[in-house]
Amino acid sequence: GAVVSQHPSWVICKSGTSVKIECRSLDFQATTMFWYRQFPKQSLMLMATSNEGSKATYEQGVEKDKFLINHASLTLSTLTVTSAHPEDSSFYICSARDPHNRSPRRGEQYFGPGTRLTVT
Amino acid sequence: AQKITQTQPGMFVQEKEAVTLDCTYDTSDPSYGLFWYKQPSSGEMIFLIYQGSYDQQNATEGRYSLNFQKARKSANLVISASQLGDSAMYFCAMRENSNSGYALNFGKGTSLLVTP
Repeated sequence: GAVVSQHPSWVICKSGTSVKIECRSLDFQATTMFWYRQFPKQSLMLMATSNEGSKATYEQGVEKDKFLINHASLTLSTLTVTSAHPEDSSFYICSARDPHNRSPRRGEQYFGPGTRLTVT
Repeated sequence: AQKITQTQPGMFVQEKEAVTLDCTYDTSDPSYGLFWYKQPSSGEMIFLIYQGSYDQQNATEGRYSLNFQKARKSANLVISASQLGDSAMYFCAMRENSNSGYALNFGKGTSLLVTP
C-alpha cells in the first residue's frame, strides 16, 4: 500500500523556538495533504488542508501565522510550529490523498506515523 | 456540532468473542463515506474498513464488518473473534463528498481492551 513518512518522529524543543515537521508521500504524488493534531486520549482534529502549489486552507480556530504549512512539491508538505509554547505539545499526524486511488475501500487517505512534539 | 459520535469511551471484550463499537453520524450530504481506523499505542492510524453512503450491502473485511443503518445514521464496527492484538483506540470517521478536500471528521474514539 501507499506509504507516507513523517520526520521527525518525536521532537523536544524549548518554548519560543520553531519546529518544522515534514510529511512525505513515498510512492505516490499527493496533490492534497492534511495535517491533524491529537492531544492525549483525544480525537484527531483537522488543522489544515494543504494543496500543492497553493495556500493551505486552515480550519476555524487554527492560527495560520503560528502553524505555517508549505506544500512545495507533490510529495512533500511541511508544518512549521512557530514560537512554540507548551500548549502546542501534541501529536501531529499528516495524511496524504492519492488522487489515482479510485477505491476508498483501500482507504483513500494514507497516514504518516505521526510526530510527537513536546515543548518545554 | 459533532458530526461523528462515539458514545463508548472504553470497551472490554474477552478474547475470541465478538464486540460492537458504536458510531453515529450527522450529515445532510447525500453522498458521504464512513471509515473506521485503529490506532495502537504507537500512534499510527490503521485503516480498517469503508462504507459508502450508496452501498447496498454492509462492508466486510476479514474479521471486521460494518453494520450500516442509513436511516438511523449509524455505522457500527463489529470485530469478530477478538484477539489480544485488537486492543487499541478505534476511530470512526466521515468524509462528506461536498467537502472538496476530502478531509475526514473523526469521532472521539473508543478504547478497546481485549482480555485473555
